[in-house]
Amino acid sequence: AQSVTQLGSHVSVSEGALVLLRCNYSSSVPPYLFWYVQYPNQGLQLLLKYTTGATLVKGINGFEAEFKKSETSFHLTKPSAHMSDAAEYFCAVSDLGTGANSKLTFGKGITLSVRP
Amino acid sequence: ETGVTQSPTHLIKTRGQQVTLRCSSQSGHNTVSWYQQALGQGPQFIFQYYREEENGRGNFPPRFSGLQFPNYSSELNVNALELDDSALYLCASSSLGPTDTQYFGPGTRLTVL
Repeated sequence: AQSVTQLGSHVSVSEGALVLLRCNYSSSVPPYLFWYVQYPNQGLQLLLKYTTGATLVKGINGFEAEFKKSETSFHLTKPSAHMSDAAEYFCAVSDLGTGANSKLTFGKGITLSVRP
Repeated sequence: ETGVTQSPTHLIKTRGQQVTLRCSSQSGHNTVSWYQQALGQGPQFIFQYYREEENGRGNFPPRFSGLQFPNYSSELNVNALELDDSALYLCASSSLGPTDTQYFGPGTRLTVL
């Protein structure tokens, strides 16, 4: 079964600083990986996803993530944090075992705070 | 394009009661997945419906059940509510395929007293 580990529950950065949110996965098959963002009192919005092909994936709002198979990682980065980036971030892996449209297995999430 | 909508927004129930949550999928999507998000946790997969049939289930007891209708909207029913059922319930719609993006609704916040 797939699993996702997000190290640390809270990350705080200054506005304009680099954002790095870590995600490691466990999967017995080539994974499909996702990053979602959740703003207060809202549902989840897809930031980016990796399926196949280029291992550096660019998403919305200036975020990107790199799939590293050897490290089983899919860390999320943004060169310069903005106040509006403050939110909860979830890494997820798609479980291919169920076939059809697969379930997502999420990590526990990381709260990103941005200091002025 | 209409996004995923859920109703109600908030709900308060007492232990032992039953609850029905509703989800309208995004136009063009035929698959609905339900997730439970406890406070401070990531969402957990409950089950998925594709063309009105259950298509995968997570580690949830049978008192969690669902329906999908011909227009692809969906219901989540929970019987014999327990305190631990208090959570945000998220619905996600998508097209068929493991790489297709799941689009989430805003969720229903259920509180069980």
